[in-house]
Amino acid sequence: QKEVEQDPGPLSVPEGAIVSLNCTYSNSAFQYFMWYRQYSRKGPELLMYTYSSGNKEDGRFTAQVDKSSKYISLFIRDSQPSDSATYLCAFFSGGYNKLIFGAGTRLAVHP
Amino acid sequence: GAVVSQHPSWVICKSGTSVKIECRSLDFQATTMFWYRQFPKQSLMLMATSNEGSKATYEQGVEKDKFLINHASLTLSTLTVTSAHPEDSSFYICSARTKLLPGGYEQYFGPGTRLTVT
Repeated sequence: QKEVEQDPGPLSVPEGAIVSLNCTYSNSAFQYFMWYRQYSRKGPELLMYTYSSGNKEDGRFTAQVDKSSKYISLFIRDSQPSDSATYLCAFFSGGYNKLIFGAGTRLAVHP
Repeated sequence: GAVVSQHPSWVICKSGTSVKIECRSLDFQATTMFWYRQFPKQSLMLMATSNEGSKATYEQGVEKDKFLINHASLTLSTLTVTSAHPEDSSFYICSARTKLLPGGYEQYFGPGTRLTVT
């Protein structure tokens, strides 16, 4: 079993849709949960991070963590074509001292 | 968020030559920097962890004599690809840590360097 599972997509949605991106993980030692956005041929950009179960909101983005189910989600409201990118979940634990990435989900928002 | 820069953004070199890529944290000091490699449509692969003033720690399978990493200051790390071959062609991305959270860090990425070896 992989440590992190993330559906690579591609996921195609119309502009204005609510997008749900998800990752599951198996390592209960993971303490921090992050979402990065990567445009084509660019470095990843940190969108949000959280270290507790529950929801964290930032503008159109909401990160949700369920530690009991080892499941994290990123919701994008009112999606825009500019949201078209690859979204990577990432996890950090002190034991590893490094980020563990999911495979990334390619999202396309069409006008 | 914090800014990490890389130079060059794109480089073409001939097989057998060496290429140096610079990574700078522009508005913060980074005691730890990371170098990643990414192939098309794949996720990031960590190559090595670099701590300022000490030797880099390489991931399993990464040749330390081929990928030389120097973290000379708190704002600069360099990756030198020695005796480059076409199979080294890839997208190289550096990353730097900042702000010690309770037990964790924020980690920011540079824009990447596309290396093509002919």
